[in-house]
Amino acid sequence: ELKVEQNPLFLSMQEGKNYTIYCNYSTTSDRLYWYRQDPGKSLESLFVLLSNGAVKQEGRLMASLDTKARLSTLHITAAVHDLSATYFCAVDMNNDMRFGAGTRLTVKP
Amino acid sequence: DAGVTQSPTHLIKTRGQQVTLRCSPKSGHDTVSWYQQALGQGPQFIFQYYEEEERQRGNFPDRFSGHQFPNYSSELNVNALLLGDSALYLCASSRIAWTGGGWEAFFGQGTRLTVV
Repeated sequence: ELKVEQNPLFLSMQEGKNYTIYCNYSTTSDRLYWYRQDPGKSLESLFVLLSNGAVKQEGRLMASLDTKARLSTLHITAAVHDLSATYFCAVDMNNDMRFGAGTRLTVKP
Repeated sequence: DAGVTQSPTHLIKTRGQQVTLRCSPKSGHDTVSWYQQALGQGPQFIFQYYEEEERQRGNFPDRFSGHQFPNYSSELNVNALLLGDSALYLCASSRIAWTGGGWEAFFGQGTRLTVV
């Protein structure tokens, strides 16, 4: 069975700092997704990564995918308070998504 | 475009009762997936509907059933509710991509179900 593991599960960082969230998965897949969820809200799509070596950037967030290592990263550059949220990675498993447990990010002034 | 809409937004039910949740997909989307998200956890896949048929199913008991209508909207039914069914139920719509290029799912705002 596909397992998707994120780490860290909780991340507290100061504004202006950089950090990386990791997403490991156990089965071959070349489709990986990153979502953001604010408290009490639904999931907002951030990135869709569809091939080995894919890299996408949006603002202070950059996501990459290494299908051989079964690893995706979400890098945060110069964090700001507005980035505080829970971030989920999800792996495509035959057209359904299996989610990690999420990384709860808090950015402090 | 209204995006993915779900109703109701909140619901309180008693153990043993039955509940029906509704989802209207984003315009142009033909596939609807349902997820259960318990507090503090990631969404868990329940099932997916395409062309009015259940295509995939996650590890959920038969108490969870669904339906997709010709207009692509969908319902999730849960019978004999348990306290553990309390969660946020999310609907996601997408468009099947036969080219293998992957697909992007858009989520509704969810239905918060509380079983007491």
